[in-house]
Amino acid sequence: SQTIHQWPATLVQPVGSPLSLECTVEGTSNPNLYWYRQAAGRGLQLLFYSVGIGQISSEVPQNLSASRPQDRQFILSSKKLLLSDSGFYLCAWSPRTVGLRPGELFFGEGSRLTVL
Amino acid sequence: AQSVTQPDIHITVSEGASLELRCNYSYGATPYLFWYVQSPGQGLQLLLKYFSGDTLVQGIKGFEAEFKRSQSSFNLRKPSVHWSDAAEYFCAVGAPGGYQKVTFGIGTKLQVIP
Repeated sequence: SQTIHQWPATLVQPVGSPLSLECTVEGTSNPNLYWYRQAAGRGLQLLFYSVGIGQISSEVPQNLSASRPQDRQFILSSKKLLLSDSGFYLCAWSPRTVGLRPGELFFGEGSRLTVL
Repeated sequence: AQSVTQPDIHITVSEGASLELRCNYSYGATPYLFWYVQSPGQGLQLLLKYFSGDTLVQGIKGFEAEFKRSQSSFNLRKPSVHWSDAAEYFCAVGAPGGYQKVTFGIGTKLQVIP
């Protein structure tokens, strides 16, 4: 069966410090990978998605970047955190779909980032 | 572009009572519709999805949803709520694409009282 692991679960960082959140998927190949941010009362905001190694698309201009160094690894980074980067970050994967029909998103447990 | 409206931010129901969570969507073509549930501090889990066909969709944990094109709605229902159903529920609409072009609503937080 497929599993998704995301870490760290919680992180408290000072403003201006770097960030690295990691996500790995097991039990599947060539997944689509996603980073979402969840803020209270604002639902889920798609930050980045990737359809293959080295292929990253950004949905929202921001202080963050993403990389996909391996097929099942997705990393969210920042060189200098801002207060506004605080939030709950969710990694997700989905299988490649036939006919471009969207399928199910499988989410990790999330990483809560607090920037002080 | 698609959008989703969940008009109820918080809902409180008694255990054993029926539940209906509202969702309205905006999309120019036949939508792909989803309901996800999130327990506190956790990721999201798919409850059910609608792509086509029968407009009444059955999901996990005893939930169902009905697609009403004329009302642009996809409301989630459960006939008898259990305390373990307390969570946040997200409606989402998807569009065809090489990746999941899924737009989420802001969520409805469900509280269940004894």
